[in-house]
Amino acid sequence: DTGVSQDPRHKITKRGQNVTFRCDPISEHNRLYWYRQTLGQGPEFLTYFQNEAQLEKSRLLSDRFSAERPKGSFSTLEIQRTEQGDSAMYLCASSSAQPSYEQYFGPGTRLTVT
Amino acid sequence: GQNIDQPTEMTATEGAIVQINCTYQTSGFNGLFWYQQHAGEAPTFLSYNVLDGLEEKGRFSSFLSRSKGYSYLLLKELQMKDSASYLCAARNYGQNFVFGPGTRLSVLP
Repeated sequence: DTGVSQDPRHKITKRGQNVTFRCDPISEHNRLYWYRQTLGQGPEFLTYFQNEAQLEKSRLLSDRFSAERPKGSFSTLEIQRTEQGDSAMYLCASSSAQPSYEQYFGPGTRLTVT
Repeated sequence: GQNIDQPTEMTATEGAIVQINCTYQTSGFNGLFWYQQHAGEAPTFLSYNVLDGLEEKGRFSSFLSRSKGYSYLLLKELQMKDSASYLCAARNYGQNFVFGPGTRLSVLP
């Protein structure tokens, strides 16, 4: 296993369209996180899964955002009715429960909403 | 609320030592992490502290004081490749991570 992968790496969409991103975590990791990062800022937590259960979702997250991890392996993040403010890098990270819970990040999906 | 503060930018000279400070306020604190992020790349894990004290890992060390809500990352024998952003992140008991804005470090020859 070579690490966390994300697809696509870049996405350009028009305002109002729906987009879906995929994350494949490191296979033995049961925890999966989604973050959003804009230029000059640190990653902003969006949501977190342990196996297939979505355990936490940011209160700042609009209802237009939804995430799934149906079989506890890969995850998808969907943004409905995209807005220009959604333009950002969307990062996925995975971790195991032990020993230090360190997160391994994927390369990210850069979303541009025109 | 949850808040993490760290300096926006720092500059240091190749071969020198630099200390990047981080202060945090989180509910249910359960560990402090440092990540390195080169421009255009994903963050990579550097260090983790959950108990007070110093953790050393080669040229990198990280310190935590839980009572003061304070951590620092110490980088020794700076190299040009250390030019990057350094992210401080606090984890809470819900396994949620709060990241700081990052400190952009420039290493000059």
